[in-house]
Amino acid sequence: QVQLVQSGAEVKKPGSSVKVSCRASGGTFSSYAFNWVRQAPGQGLEWLGWIIPVFGTTKTAQRFQDRVAITADESTRTVYMELTTLASEDTAVYYCARGPGSTGGWFDPWGQGTLVTVSS
Amino acid sequence: QSVLTQSPSASGTPGQTVTISCSGSRSNIGSYDVYWYQQLPGTAPRLLIYRSNQRPSGVPDRFSGSKSGTSASLAISGLRSDDEADYYCATWDDSLTTVLFGGGTKLTVL
Repeated sequence: QVQLVQSGAEVKKPGSSVKVSCRASGGTFSSYAFNWVRQAPGQGLEWLGWIIPVFGTTKTAQRFQDRVAITADESTRTVYMELTTLASEDTAVYYCARGPGSTGGWFDPWGQGTLVTVSS
Repeated sequence: QSVLTQSPSASGTPGQTVTISCSGSRSNIGSYDVYWYQQLPGTAPRLLIYRSNQRPSGVPDRFSGSKSGTSASLAISGLRSDDEADYYCATWDDSLTTVLFGGGTKLTVL
């Protein structure tokens, strides 16, 4: 049974970058898609993108294409999401979630979430 | 405003059946499977329904999903107080080439 464990909370200044990690323990790693989804305080869910480690392919939501980089390290079974040029609107809980390949919308399981706070 | 439309709130009494709907278009629900998630306060979302009407192991059969045309529904029967949560639908959109989530429905058990 795979478990996803994310890195801890971050506080960042506007204009800076943040890199959040998600380590998978147990289960299969490489052939699945690992997605990033965020949730601003009191708001709904928003998909940022995915990576399929075995192929190294990524897909990023159009509105984040210039600011999001999703990478994976198969040796440590860890996926990373870096978001650049942070603004206050990027304050959110960021979740990683595994999916079976590139089937859009299927996320199971989820990590515990990482709170990223952007504040001057 | 989300491309997938959900009513912001729903409510029911214990034992009742509640239905939550998710409305989209031909480029999303009309063409792709729908997924449903339950999010309890302060926790990560949990997959409830996949491929529009399939339940993962461990999800009670009180939860059921259906899809017709460009709309999907999640039905919760035998409502319980611990079903009180936010519920989200999700699917792929091939016009926007993105995963879409509905805006979420907050379920209150009266």
